[in-house]
Amino acid sequence: DVKVTQSSRYLVKRTGEKVFLECVQDMDHENMFWYRQDPGLGLRLIYFSYDVKMKEKGDIPEGYSVSREKKERFSLILESASTNQTSMYLCASSSSGAFTYNEQFFGPGTRLTVL
Amino acid sequence: QKEVEQNSGPLSVPEGAIASLNCTYSDRVSQSFFWYRQYSGKSPELIMSIYSNGDKEDGRFTAQLNKASQYVSLLIRDSQPSDSATYLCAVNLGEYGNKLVFGAGTILRVKS
Repeated sequence: DVKVTQSSRYLVKRTGEKVFLECVQDMDHENMFWYRQDPGLGLRLIYFSYDVKMKEKGDIPEGYSVSREKKERFSLILESASTNQTSMYLCASSSSGAFTYNEQFFGPGTRLTVL
Repeated sequence: QKEVEQNSGPLSVPEGAIASLNCTYSDRVSQSFFWYRQYSGKSPELIMSIYSNGDKEDGRFTAQLNKASQYVSLLIRDSQPSDSATYLCAVNLGEYGNKLVFGAGTILRVKS
């Protein structure tokens, strides 16, 4: 089974702090994604990566950056946390191999609160 | 028009009934379609994938795809209270490569 893990289930940070959210997958997937999910707004894509050291902006990249130094790990960075970044953050991965259909598998999520 | 649309619900069905969840999408070259189940406070869990027109059955779940009508649905037979969750429809829209576009989700409530 695909396993996607995230470094924290719950996180509380102060405004202005630099925040690191880590995601690791164990299925050798090429693609990794970071979403945030807010009530009434659904899943919104922040950044994604198709390969090591590759990154592409999603729909709401402002205030975030990412890093993918190894295939299995994709990090989301909040450079200076703000209260409007309080949200559930979800990491997902998918394969680009032959006979795959881009199904994404999600980690358990990190509920971040910025005070 | 949104790219993937779902009725937000809530859809309420009695225990043992069939729950029917619907999703429409805007892209004609979409190749793959998915249903995710999300319990409150948890992450989405993939429950069904469908790639060809017609029906695909897996236990109590049946996914139905009609590409000509740009419509995908999920039927849950013998609904149980444990099926109460938000169901997300996701589509691999051809123009977006490996990304999925998610609907906003339909809340399902199964009453015992």
